Amino acid sequence: GAGVSQSPRYKVAKRGQDVALRCDPISGHVSLFWYQQALGQGPEFLTYFQNEAQLDKSGLPSDRFFAERPEGSVSTLKIQRTQQEDSAVYLCASSLEDREHGYTFGSGTRLTVV
Amino acid sequence: LAKTTQPISMDSYEGQEVNITCSHNNIATNDYITWYQQFPSQGPRFIIQGYKTKVTNEVASLFIPADRKSSTLSLPRVSLSDTAVYYCLVGASMFSGGYNKLIFGAGTRLAVHP
Repeated sequence: GAGVSQSPRYKVAKRGQDVALRCDPISGHVSLFWYQQALGQGPEFLTYFQNEAQLDKSGLPSDRFFAERPEGSVSTLKIQRTQQEDSAVYLCASSLEDREHGYTFGSGTRLTVV
Repeated sequence: LAKTTQPISMDSYEGQEVNITCSHNNIATNDYITWYQQFPSQGPRFIIQGYKTKVTNEVASLFIPADRKSSTLSLPRVSLSDTAVYYCLVGASMFSGGYNKLIFGAGTRLAVHP
């Protein structure tokens, strides 16, 4: 597609519920990042994929957070047993391997845990 | 990774030139300086990148003094649509290959008034 697509755009979850957030990167983009952006803050790194390999997950805040990209294209960020502090915008970014055109971010998924 | 410091917020009026300064005292020899723009409900968007002296594109100019410990993003003749958060990042080039985890600060909230 023309850009990075994220779905859903908005998600309201009850505390304790599991959620899955989807990212469709630009076709052919090898690198994929997930970021978490709390209200009024800059995006914070969560995890990085190169194709299907998760090469860096150092930013995942707890073992309730899990990301996958099984076929090297679409990625899913899963949050188990959501807590109120998980409320944030979750951004996905992708790029070509040589980053000739830099990174492209999606518009994010706004997660609200009530 | 070099840390950046920039003003939390700025106000301007339509038609004025806006200069946002970022401090990065611990910038490394190989680091580039990159600015991103983020509108509400959207992901960050690349504006400009530089290594030294001055870089200009159709959107902005970036001024970097010889010691590279600071940089200034200059937006000429701003309009209401320039109201956004502007992030200064220091690190690997956005356009070179290899792993590059973007580190965002809190950014500068620019409000342009009629």
